[in-house]
Amino acid sequence: GAVVSQHPSWVICKSGTSVKIECRSLDFQATTMFWYRQFPKQSLMLMATSNEGSKATYEQGVEKDKFLINHASLTLSTLTVTSAHPEDSSFYICSGSDYGASNEQFFGPGTRLTVL
Amino acid sequence: KNEVEQSPQNLTAQEGEFITINCSYSVGISALHWLQQHPGGGIVSLFMLSSGKKKHGRLIATINIQEKHSSLHITASHPRDSAVYICAVPRAGGAGADGLTFGKGTHLIIQP
Repeated sequence: GAVVSQHPSWVICKSGTSVKIECRSLDFQATTMFWYRQFPKQSLMLMATSNEGSKATYEQGVEKDKFLINHASLTLSTLTVTSAHPEDSSFYICSGSDYGASNEQFFGPGTRLTVL
Repeated sequence: KNEVEQSPQNLTAQEGEFITINCSYSVGISALHWLQQHPGGGIVSLFMLSSGKKKHGRLIATINIQEKHSSLHITASHPRDSAVYICAVPRAGGAGADGLTFGKGTHLIIQP
């Protein structure tokens, strides 16, 4: 299957700082990218959907001003957690899809964020 | 909005046993995903299927669209199969660019 990378794989930061997570599709053009998060012992939950060149669509309860998503190219999407707080500590996973070719989503390896 | 139920939540089996994990969903879908998550958290996509059956090595996935039900089978299970297996479907059920709704996962442990 196609490959999606995420960077960093883990990050520890102080409360109040901002953290940027990158998601790259390495061998396909991701017209749509999804950002999910997973709190401990819970299911993955969709945070937002982004289409290349458009503003992201956020799920109910996800603050768009706190979780900034940029999808400026067909191979790169970024999620910036602004003014992070301990309750933002979670596992963040992106997935990419080229819906012109298939409905399949290819997942990145995830980023574990710990906010102290 | 689609809802996903998986069973069992936890499963411990002996090496070599045949494993079955079940998934039911509430809204008709274009395709269903089976995913594997290891302790470190990384997600591996095992199957995406919209009808019938798919096989990859010792893994078999089946889906019954009419009954809104899918199963994941592991033949000749091995300790390295120990992981969380997750079923996921498009939130609104249809095709196109839609995020996924995930089941709670089945925590599988295969003992030597």
